[in-house]
Amino acid sequence: DVKVTQSSRYLVKRTGEKVFLECVQDMDHENMFWYRQDPGLGLRLIYFSYDVKMKEKGDIPEGYSVSREKKERFSLILESASTNQTSMYLCASSFRPGGIDTQYFGPGTRLTVL
Amino acid sequence: KQEVTQIPAALSVPEGENLVLNCSFTDSAIYNLQWFRQDPGKGLTSLLLIQSSQREQTSGRLNASLDKSSGRSTLYIAASQPGDSATYLCAVKDGTGFQKLVFGTGTRLLVSP
Repeated sequence: DVKVTQSSRYLVKRTGEKVFLECVQDMDHENMFWYRQDPGLGLRLIYFSYDVKMKEKGDIPEGYSVSREKKERFSLILESASTNQTSMYLCASSFRPGGIDTQYFGPGTRLTVL
Repeated sequence: KQEVTQIPAALSVPEGENLVLNCSFTDSAIYNLQWFRQDPGKGLTSLLLIQSSQREQTSGRLNASLDKSSGRSTLYIAASQPGDSATYLCAVKDGTGFQKLVFGTGTRLLVSP
């Protein structure tokens, strides 16, 4: 079974703090993704990566950065957390080649920024 | 820009009923369409994936159909059970984007015993 794990289920941070969200997958997947999920807005893609050290902006990258130093690990970084970044963050991975594939999701991290 | 809409936003049914969830998308140039299930406070679990060349996929009591030309997909759940209570999300993979999924906002389903 594919397993995608996220470092924390719940996280509370203060405005201005630097926040790291970690995601690890154990299926040797090429692609990894970070989404945020907000009521009424659905899931929105923040960043994705299709290879080690490669990254692409998604639909809402502002205020975020990412790091992929190893194939199995994809980190989301909030350089200076703000209250509007309070959200559920979901990591996913998928296997290349594209087409007959699906994205496998982690359990999510609920981040609250005070 | 691709937009995905799911109707209804919420649905409540008694156990045993057959039900249909709807998903529509604005751009028919999709690569595939997926249905996901999300339990409260949890991540997403993939239920069914339909390639753009396919018309439907089945898994147990679930059947998903795809009509690309009209920009519609339906998820049919037969003989619903309380354990089916969850939010169901539809997502399309754009033909133009690299591996990017565009999600609907979901249908929250409650099946009462």
